[in-house]
Amino acid sequence: NAGVMQNPRHLVRRRGQEARLRCSPMKGHSHVYWYRQLPEEGLKFMVYLQKENIIDESGMPKERFSAEFPKEGPSILRIQQVVRGDSAAYFCASSPSEGGYTFGSGTRLTVV
Amino acid sequence: GESVGLHLPTLSVQEGDNSIINCAYSNSASDYFIWYKQESGKGPQFIIDIRSNMDKRQGQRVTVLLNKTVKHLSLQIAATQPGDSAVYFCAENRAGNMLTFGGGTRLMVKP
Repeated sequence: NAGVMQNPRHLVRRRGQEARLRCSPMKGHSHVYWYRQLPEEGLKFMVYLQKENIIDESGMPKERFSAEFPKEGPSILRIQQVVRGDSAAYFCASSPSEGGYTFGSGTRLTVV
Repeated sequence: GESVGLHLPTLSVQEGDNSIINCAYSNSASDYFIWYKQESGKGPQFIIDIRSNMDKRQGQRVTVLLNKTVKHLSLQIAATQPGDSAVYFCAENRAGNMLTFGGGTRLMVKP
């Protein structure tokens, strides 16, 4: 069991570019969550998805950010026209149902 | 509450001593709490959890205490080891499957 796989581990983007972060949940897990972490802070919830459905996106900024979890393939967190304030660590977690979260190792996005 | 760009509080303990890390939560409706350990450059790692119908739960070298009256959670680590050095977060499950994380405490273990 490979755990929750996130890639890339590090991503550098210039202001205005797009960032795509990928998350493959653990085998058998159908629930995916994305969290953002700024330095020296706790994780902040962004979005909760099940296959082909967004369940809760109350933590997602209204503009430039989107997430999907297609029937086949990984979950994608997409940030369009990145700005310096988007620089953070983005963590994905998965669970088979309620609770039982397992986190990935994160993608560290740096916007230059 | 949540930290807003402040440095993390730090707990420094001697190797072999016991550590107690505290956390206050805000929502009395929360029914599930988790402690996570996060090492530098890694994702949060599950340590122990507790449901609101319990006030104490023990694991291997760790104990979580829940005081619902004052909305307080603590993590006790027995015989702290250098490998325990990390940032520790409490998280509460408020609604659905979403977790709300506290601001974190950095544990430093002195050899």
